[in-house]
Amino acid sequence: AQSVTQLDSQVPVFEEAPVELRCNYSSSVSVYLFWYVQYPNQGLQLLLKYLSGSTLVKGINGFEAEFNKSQTSFHLRKPSVHISDTAEYFCAVKGGSNYKLTFGKGTLLTVNP
Amino acid sequence: GAGVSQSPSNKVTEKGKDVELRCDPISGHTALYWYRQSLGQGLEFLIYFQGNSAPDKSGLPSDRFSAERTGGSVSTLTIQRTQQEDSAVYLCASSSGQGETQYFGPGTRLLVL
Repeated sequence: AQSVTQLDSQVPVFEEAPVELRCNYSSSVSVYLFWYVQYPNQGLQLLLKYLSGSTLVKGINGFEAEFNKSQTSFHLRKPSVHISDTAEYFCAVKGGSNYKLTFGKGTLLTVNP
Repeated sequence: GAGVSQSPSNKVTEKGKDVELRCDPISGHTALYWYRQSLGQGLEFLIYFQGNSAPDKSGLPSDRFSAERTGGSVSTLTIQRTQQEDSAVYLCASSSGQGETQYFGPGTRLLVL
């Protein structure tokens, strides 16, 4: 079984500030990790994914995440956010050959001018 | 290219009525998933189709829920005798194979009055 914990339900930041959205997971097998973004009244869009290899993963819109196996974390970062980054962000895990995605509860990022 | 499409985008129904939700996956994708997104439960896996294999229905919350996939492409999720707790966003995703990255549609927002 696997689970995902997103430690912050809401993160308010000012425009051009850096942001980190935290995600911790638990799994008894090797994992694949994902961050999805959901804009208001839209579906989920893939931001980035970690499958194997380099632990630093770069995604769309200037986001990046680092896989840390010892801390079982996959935190999402962006050095400078824009108003348009306001959305809900979901961390998800898929274990081994399992096809089901297990999602965290989501973090609402609000970027203020 | 075309992404995953879902219809209708919004559905309002009365308690006790049946509803059908449709998903058109990305062309060529053999795997199709249904998830439910609700305020209290977050994102939950419902059902998974892969090619001609028997679907994994382990996430369906009750026997009022069923799904089929015709011709290995379009899928329909049916909810019989809808209840107010069925109100949620129903998301469909597809992938090029088991274990591959899932791409999501915009969802169907179901409101049961």
